[in-house]
Amino acid sequence: GAVVSQHPSWVICKSGTSVKIECRSLDFQATTMFWYRQFPKQSLMLMATSNEGSKATYEQGVEKDKFLINHASLTLSTLTVTSAHPEDSSFYICSAATDGYTFGSGTRLTVV
Amino acid sequence: TQLLEQSPQFLSIQEGENLTVYCNSSSVFSSLQWYRQEPGEGPVLLVTVVTGGEVKKLKRLTFQFGDARKDSSLHITAAQPGDTGLYLCAGDRGTYKYIFGTGTRLKVLA
Repeated sequence: GAVVSQHPSWVICKSGTSVKIECRSLDFQATTMFWYRQFPKQSLMLMATSNEGSKATYEQGVEKDKFLINHASLTLSTLTVTSAHPEDSSFYICSAATDGYTFGSGTRLTVV
Repeated sequence: TQLLEQSPQFLSIQEGENLTVYCNSSSVFSSLQWYRQEPGEGPVLLVTVVTGGEVKKLKRLTFQFGDARKDSSLHITAAQPGDTGLYLCAGDRGTYKYIFGTGTRLKVLA
């Protein structure tokens, strides 16, 4: 079946630095990928829709300049959290549309 | 605005018991999915329902889509500890843009 690989699985960074998270479709092409954020014991909140070759579409309330999304190829989308702060600490998950969604394994970001 | 409300939020039951999780909305969805997520991992798709009134079975799990395609339910028969996890419903707003429900955290005790 379809596999989405997400890296890193976890990352700890200092406040003010930037972190890049990668999401790759391994055996299929994904023109559209989605980025979600999940706080502990809560559901997934859609942050943005990543479109190959064009600008991402952000959900209301999500800062475009803080969460930079690049979808430069049909198999790779990246999310960069810029100038990270402790409140950005969360579980970030990507997904690609296949038969339903195929999710990556998630990235736990801790900003100290 | 959370479009999909799940109930209950938390459920702790003994092995062998039955349970039902509900997913409700005031919006109509073209399709609805159910996922199970374990800690530190991404959600895994269990089922997709697309037709109002549709019922699908996956072993001990029974999924139903409401006639008006605004709500859904997940029924688990004879729950097992392996069923423990976060259950999420997700409704399709179009072009694969799914919105997730508030989640139901299930714990099955041996």
